[in-house]
Amino acid sequence: QSVLTQPPSASGTPGQRVTISCSGSSSNIGFNTVNWYQQLPGRAPKVLIYRNNQRPSGVPDRFSGSKSGTSASLAISGLQSGDEADYYCAAWDDSLNGPVFGGGTKLTVL
Amino acid sequence: QITMKESGPTLVKPTQTLTLTCTFSGFSLSTSGEGVGWIRQPPGKALEWVGIIYWNDDQRYSPSLKSRLTITKDTSKNQVLLTMTNMDPVDTATYYCAHRRAGANPFDYWGQGTLVTVSS
Repeated sequence: QSVLTQPPSASGTPGQRVTISCSGSSSNIGFNTVNWYQQLPGRAPKVLIYRNNQRPSGVPDRFSGSKSGTSASLAISGLQSGDEADYYCAAWDDSLNGPVFGGGTKLTVL
Repeated sequence: QITMKESGPTLVKPTQTLTLTCTFSGFSLSTSGEGVGWIRQPPGKALEWVGIIYWNDDQRYSPSLKSRLTITKDTSKNQVLLTMTNMDPVDTATYYCAHRRAGANPFDYWGQGTLVTVSS
């Protein structure tokens, strides 16, 4: 049981926009920033969004993040087949004194 | 350019102690703010934070694993060691090491991961 709650799956067709939600609490998302990671099949995770809505260099602007209260969202526009991956949200948790991850969302491009 | 790489045994027996090494380049763990964390992922399951060590030797551990964990650093070799005692089959996972700067920062550089199987 992960501390942060994500839907187990999401899907969309090429070109579509999809959003993935991440729900937490005041001890994590409520008072700390959210990061999003993309894990392509068989690969290590890669940071996609950090500090709620910042993109590392090289990450397309099709990916965007937002946060409100104790929830966060990742939006992917112009969906591509190469976006098929597992997506994880993460945030520091002040109660656990460490980072916590969501359970992951498997994105399928139909 | 920061690179991270994990190494260690691929198979350990139940009750044995696991020691994994993370060898990195592109930064120094003697530099203020730098840190190396461990994250694991059981087959087909989610990521789980294991622990982290910072430049000032500050160590943080997952509460559920704390009693079994030790993370140390060898600054001269650019290595971080993870030691986990009393291994159990539920500890079977891919173990990743990753770079993280202190503060509101993500794990920004990850190793390829190493699969550790716990089985007799």
